[in-house]
Amino acid sequence: KAGVTQTPRYLIKTRGQQVTLSCSPISGHRSVSWYQQTPGQGLQFLFEYFSETQRNKGNFPGRFSGRQFSNSRSEMNVSTLELGDSALYLCASSLNGQGAPGANVLTFGAGSRLTVL
Amino acid sequence: QQQVKQSPQSLIVQKGGIPIINCAYENTAFDYFPWYQQFPGKGPALLIAIRPDVSEKKEGRFTISFNKSAKQFSLHIMDSQPGDSATYFCAALAGGTSYGKLTFGQGTILTVHP
Repeated sequence: KAGVTQTPRYLIKTRGQQVTLSCSPISGHRSVSWYQQTPGQGLQFLFEYFSETQRNKGNFPGRFSGRQFSNSRSEMNVSTLELGDSALYLCASSLNGQGAPGANVLTFGAGSRLTVL
Repeated sequence: QQQVKQSPQSLIVQKGGIPIINCAYENTAFDYFPWYQQFPGKGPALLIAIRPDVSEKKEGRFTISFNKSAKQFSLHIMDSQPGDSATYFCAALAGGTSYGKLTFGQGTILTVHP
């Protein structure tokens, strides 16, 4: 069974640019969550999507946005990049996003490492 | 109230030792407590998880102890091996509408010496 796939794995952008990251969840998983991981702030929740609807959102500025497609694949976008946006962006999928033993656990991808110069 | 506090920040043990990582929380709405292991260049991988109606759970060499009244939980790694050297995160998720929102501790860097 394929895991969560994130692309691209690495990318370098300059301040002011925008970036789009992609996440393909485990087959059958309908919930996709996004997290930002930095050495200083650790792992922080960005947002969660289920059946193309954003159900939950963390405390990030509006420059961070996302969407989910009918096949459950998800993208997140960061506009007007700032140096502080340099981070590992992680996607996690689960059956319904509510956390539970078995198949509904949140499974993470390897992440997309964004460097902003 | 949303925080999960994790300690220690780093931990060094000898092979065969039993490292213990502790976490504490305030939000009583949390009802699912997973532990994740992360190796450099990889995403976090679920190790073991527990619900607050259980005081202890074992899976292989990993054990979670849970104290609901103290709002604390801990991870014990029995017979630790050099391959266990990684960063460990405790996390918590609230029921209801907190879809997909894990609140993570700050992480513990574990080093197991041969």
